[in-house]
Amino acid sequence: DAKTTQPNSMESNEEEPVHLPCNHSTISGTDYIHWYRQLPSQGPEYVIHGLTSNVNNRMASLAIAEDRKSSTLILHRATLRDAAVYYCILRDQRNTGKLIFGQGTTLQVKP
Amino acid sequence: EAGVAQSPRYKIIEKRQSVAFWCNPISGHATLYWYQQILGQGPKLLIQFQNNGVVDDSQLPKDRFSAERLKGVDSTLKIQPAKLEDSAVYLCASSLEAGPNYGYTFGSGTRLTVV
Repeated sequence: DAKTTQPNSMESNEEEPVHLPCNHSTISGTDYIHWYRQLPSQGPEYVIHGLTSNVNNRMASLAIAEDRKSSTLILHRATLRDAAVYYCILRDQRNTGKLIFGQGTTLQVKP
Repeated sequence: EAGVAQSPRYKIIEKRQSVAFWCNPISGHATLYWYQQILGQGPKLLIQFQNNGVVDDSQLPKDRFSAERLKGVDSTLKIQPAKLEDSAVYLCASSLEAGPNYGYTFGSGTRLTVV
């Protein structure tokens, strides 16, 4: 499975935008880029996913580099509730595309 | 839409005892997964079902862990006998289909403590 690299931790201030980076230099053309987050004492929660084009939904935006070797999850206005571990995961459409979690980025949001 | 239901929420057992966890996925979701999450780590996939058939159980310690999904709906995960290192949160997730264009919905998990 192609690997992703994320910073261990990041800090943000409440009501400011947050840009969470993810490097995936060995991504293949059939890999989808998925983001999940896990709030304390809860199961992971789907955030967003994309293949080549940038994506927006009610939770976040996903910006994918033109060469697809990196991507950025953008939270437009962080709230205290966004404090969580954020996982960037590649899922291969050639097989079952199972979700393999790494260590993720722990996001702290300061009031 | 109702989420993925798991029970119990917490379980404490002694080592060498057996334990079972139950999962009810979202209605109509064909694919069901069990994950193990040890404190401080990301979730680790144990087994994947497509309807009531096993797709991938390569990471399931089959000498002590077993899982079934009867009638392609509810699923149970069993540990027998439990070891101290099985202390973890056991997460169930479901997806409409297995492909990577579908997101997973996770339950809140069962926190197992083996003493």
